[in-house]
Amino acid sequence: EVHLVQSGAEVKKPGESLKISCLGSGYSFTNYWIGWVRQMPGKGLEWMGIIYPGDSDTRYSPSFQGQVTISADKSISTAYLQWSSLKASDTAMYYCARPILVRGLIRIDSWGQGTLVTVSS
Amino acid sequence: QSALTQPPSASGSPGQSVAISCTGTSSDVGGYNSVSWYQQHPGKAPKLMIYEVSKRPSGVPDRFSGSKSGNTASLTVSGLQAEDEADYYCSSYAGTNSLGVFGGGTKLTVL
Repeated sequence: EVHLVQSGAEVKKPGESLKISCLGSGYSFTNYWIGWVRQMPGKGLEWMGIIYPGDSDTRYSPSFQGQVTISADKSISTAYLQWSSLKASDTAMYYCARPILVRGLIRIDSWGQGTLVTVSS
Repeated sequence: QSALTQPPSASGSPGQSVAISCTGTSSDVGGYNSVSWYQQHPGKAPKLMIYEVSKRPSGVPDRFSGSKSGNTASLTVSGLQAEDEADYYCSSYAGTNSLGVFGGGTKLTVL
């Protein structure tokens, strides 16, 4: 069974850096895309970006390009989402998600439990 | 690209059927058979309910069904039960240069 387990909630100040993680298990981590989805308070879901751990191919949604960094360490089956300078508007729930991408078809078949990031002075 | 359009709310009584629409364009919903639907209960992660327009993952009740006509997809929940009360999001593939696009979500209330 596929499991995605995320790191715990974070409370940060504006301008601080942050790296949250997502540990994948129950499948071959290097052979599937893995990504991050943002959900702002009371709002909908937004793709941030995805990475293919096998070759580190990384793709970002235009809204998040340059705002965050997505990485993965295949030796420990872990994906990361990183900010260098947080803003209050980064306050949100962040979900790790495994998209299945096959020739024009996409679905997310597994989700992490979510990491709540709160940015406040 | 723009989010897919969903009604903000839908409701039905136990046992009834309710349909939730998801409208996009020929660049996403209308262009691919890759519409998915996700159920999200408060404080929980989303859960895949329908993929590739009308396929159900193992374990999803057959009360949930999906369809598509042109640029609009629909999720139908038949025989409504109290536990179906949740937010529902549609999503679609939107081309090779996209990660896909989500709808704004529909809050389903079981009266």
